[in-house]
Amino acid sequence: RKEVEQDPGPFNVPEGATVAFNCTYSNSASQSFFWYRQDCRKEPKLLMSVYSSGNEDGRFTAQLNRASQYISLLIRDSKLSDSATYLCVVNMGSSGSARQLTFGSGTQLTVLP
Amino acid sequence: DGGITQSPKYLFRKEGQNVTLSCEQNLNHDAMYWYRQDPGQGLRLIYYSQIVNDFQKGDIAEGYSVSREKKESFPLTVTSAQKNPTAFYLCASSTGRRGNYGYTFGSGTRLTVV
Repeated sequence: RKEVEQDPGPFNVPEGATVAFNCTYSNSASQSFFWYRQDCRKEPKLLMSVYSSGNEDGRFTAQLNRASQYISLLIRDSKLSDSATYLCVVNMGSSGSARQLTFGSGTQLTVLP
Repeated sequence: DGGITQSPKYLFRKEGQNVTLSCEQNLNHDAMYWYRQDPGQGLRLIYYSQIVNDFQKGDIAEGYSVSREKKESFPLTVTSAQKNPTAFYLCASSTGRRGNYGYTFGSGTRLTVV
């Protein structure tokens, strides 16, 4: 079983749609969680951290369910500019100052006009 | 502005040649990392370093070497022993402070064997 598992997609949705991505992780001791966005042939960029209470940033909502070891990202009112690959990232722990981030393979989203 | 600089952006390597990818950060981050990404796949950890003059192997270290002589710099050498080096290489760094912090990435180096 992969340590961090995501549905690879692709998800093709019309502009204005609501779309949700899910992610599961295998290590119950995981400490922190993130969603990164990666545009084609670019580096990943932090979209948002995921907190136990759930958090929202504009059109984006992230939720964490520790009991089920499950993370989700909801995008409302999709824009063309949201087209990208979304990476689920889990911090499995720390080794000194280094953070042991494990990356999912990503879910590809295309928003269609 | 603080950030991570990777160079070159594109690199071509001949068979049997060693090449070195540069990574410099001015974020005063303690830890630095090298990842490899193949098309349609996730990031795989090559090496990481928590502190100057110390580094640890990641999941796919064979055929690679690194050094950490300065806090700001973490160069990666792709040696001739790496049989399939064509990939997108990403350098990242993170703060040593406690808290919910992720990585900051450089813009990557795309390496192609010719």
